[in-house]
Amino acid sequence: TQLLEQSPQFLSIQEGENLTVYCNSSSVFSSLQWYRQEPGEGPVLLVTVVTGGEVKKLKRLTFQFGDARKDSSLHITAAQTGDTGLYLCAGPNDYKLSFGAGTTVTVRA
Amino acid sequence: EAGVAQSPRYKIIEKRQSVAFWCNPISGHATLYWYQQILGQGPKLLIQFQNNGVVDDSQLPKDRFSAERLKGVDSTLKIQPAKLEDSAVYLCASRRAGVKYNEQFFGPGTRLTVL
Repeated sequence: TQLLEQSPQFLSIQEGENLTVYCNSSSVFSSLQWYRQEPGEGPVLLVTVVTGGEVKKLKRLTFQFGDARKDSSLHITAAQTGDTGLYLCAGPNDYKLSFGAGTTVTVRA
Repeated sequence: EAGVAQSPRYKIIEKRQSVAFWCNPISGHATLYWYQQILGQGPKLLIQFQNNGVVDDSQLPKDRFSAERLKGVDSTLKIQPAKLEDSAVYLCASRRAGVKYNEQFFGPGTRLTVL
């Protein structure tokens, strides 16, 4: 089983600040996905990264896949209260998806 | 396009009682998943269906959990009898055929509390 470790577990910041969350593994992944889960809802796919060293931008969110394809990061610029949620990374494990435990992000107004 | 529908959204039961959850995937999605998400953890796969056949149920506690997808569309997940440790959010997800990276669409989940 390929394990994904996410850090930090919790993050609380003021609106307008920047933040970065991390997803690490000792295994190589062919791709990684990032999901956001708002309170009381299911996870929603944000992005899939597939190439080592790849950087993808989604408005104020920047996703990076490590050169060795063992780690990924999500950076949010000028966070807004609407960015509050649980950020999950997920990677393929055979034909299944394995999820990390997530980072709970709280953006205070 | 309608999303994945789940019901009920919340359920509170006492231990040793039975409970059932329902899921209707996105129209045309052949693959359906049930996940268990315990507070503070990521979703854990319980069972995967391809149409009406089971692809993987290795993580399903079969002494108390059962699931079916009789007509290859909607699905039910049942717990009988429930234990305190079954308190969790049960998520249903679906995926269309041919996607390269297993991108899944999730329903809102059913939050189960076992007292």
